[in-house]
Amino acid sequence: KAGVTQTPRYLIKTRGQQVTLSCSPISGHRSVSWYQQTPGQGLQFLFEYFSETQRNKGNFPGRFSGRQFSNSRSEMNVSTLELGDSALYLCASSLGDRLQETQYFGPGTRLLVL
Amino acid sequence: AQSVTQLDSQVPVFEEAPVELRCNYSSSVSVYLFWYVQYPNQGLQLLLKYLSGSTLVKGINGFEAEFNKSQTSFHLRKPSVHISDTAEYFCAVSALNQGGKLIFGQGTELSVKP
Repeated sequence: KAGVTQTPRYLIKTRGQQVTLSCSPISGHRSVSWYQQTPGQGLQFLFEYFSETQRNKGNFPGRFSGRQFSNSRSEMNVSTLELGDSALYLCASSLGDRLQETQYFGPGTRLLVL
Repeated sequence: AQSVTQLDSQVPVFEEAPVELRCNYSSSVSVYLFWYVQYPNQGLQLLLKYLSGSTLVKGINGFEAEFNKSQTSFHLRKPSVHISDTAEYFCAVSALNQGGKLIFGQGTELSVKP
């Protein structure tokens, strides 16, 4: 099976712009979770989508949003970018049944905000 | 709420020596436990997981971990490390009813020297 794929792999934006990141889960996986990784804060949970619905949410401002499509692919959007949004954004997919869940991670999208 | 503490931010070790990376967690509910490894400029790869059953869990690349409920610990061990084990290691937990949300420790940088 193909693994989790994320596009683009690298992105450079300027403050105030918005950005959309994409994640394609492993075939058959219905849950997609997003994480932000920074040197200072480490790995932090952003949100989880299951069957096109947000099922769980972390403590991030409303500028961070996401959605999931009927084929389980997910997108994450960050509006009004700030310098502190520079990070590695990781998505992970899982079956979504919440029983003995295991998340499998993609390679990440590295976002640099100038 | 859950939290994870990785007690060592950096662990230097010589090749072929044993290593233990320590992880303690806090949770008011039962949890699943995971160890992930991250190589430079890559996503997270699952090393092993504890869901239930035997408290000694074996993973990939010769790693194993032991779940200790009374001490709320999940330490990772390898009897003999290789240069290729140099990477960052993350301990994570998820509550049984929140499988799509992982709470991570701050990571331990394992540096294997020849």
